[in-house]
Amino acid sequence: AQTVTQSQPEMSVQEAETVTLSCTYDTSESDYYLFWYKQPPSRQMILVIRQEAYKQQNATENRFSVNFQKAAKSFSLKISDSQLGDAAMYFCAYRSPPGSQGNLIFGKGTKLSVKP
Amino acid sequence: NAGVTQTPKFQVLKTGQSMTLQCAQDMNHEYMSWYRQDPGMGLRLIHYSVGAGITDQGEVPNGYNVSRSTTEDFPLRLLSAAPSQTSVYFCASSSPGDNYGYTFGSGTRLTVV
Repeated sequence: AQTVTQSQPEMSVQEAETVTLSCTYDTSESDYYLFWYKQPPSRQMILVIRQEAYKQQNATENRFSVNFQKAAKSFSLKISDSQLGDAAMYFCAYRSPPGSQGNLIFGKGTKLSVKP
Repeated sequence: NAGVTQTPKFQVLKTGQSMTLQCAQDMNHEYMSWYRQDPGMGLRLIHYSVGAGITDQGEVPNGYNVSRSTTEDFPLRLLSAAPSQTSVYFCASSSPGDNYGYTFGSGTRLTVV
C-alpha cells in the first residue's frame, strides 16, 4: 500500500523569506500523481500544485514550486517570498494512476506559520 | 459553478442518533469520496465511488454507509453516532479531464456528545 510521510509537523518562516516543506512517499507504481494542498483556518482544502510522475520537469505555480525526486520518492514544496496569507496547514497527497481506484492518500500535514 | 456543496457545515449529535451528511457536485465528476480529518491524522478515506451505483470502502468505513444513485450526489450516513466519530468531514470529487486533481467541499464539523 502507498504511504505518504511529512516529517515536519510544524514550520516557521519570516515574511518574504523562502521555506521548504518536505514530503516522502512509498509506492511500487511507476505512474502516479502528487499534490500539495493548503488548508487555511477556514478549513477549505485548496489545491496548490500538482506533479505527474512521468514528467521530469518540476511543477511551478507563481511563488510555489516543487522539487520532485522520483528515484528518492521525495516531493518537497518550496514557497518563495512568503506572505502572511501562506500561513496554513499543508498536506502532501499521492494518487494512483488512471484505471485504478484513484483515491488520494494524505500525509499528516505540516503547519506553517509566517512571522511578520 | 458551485463545485462541491456540503451540508450542513456544523452539526451536534447525541450518541446513538443517526444523520446524513449531504454532498453534491455539479461538475459531472465520476469520482467522489468522503474523508474525515482528525488532529494529527491528516485526511483518511471513509468511502468512495467511481460512478453512479458503484461504491467501495476506504481506510475507516466502520459506522458509515454511502450510496450513489446519481452522478451528482454522494450522501454519507452515520447509522448510530459515537463520540469517536467527532471529526471534520470532507466530500471531494474528481475527473480524468481535470488531471485527477480533487475538488473539495467546505467540510462539515460534526460533534457527537
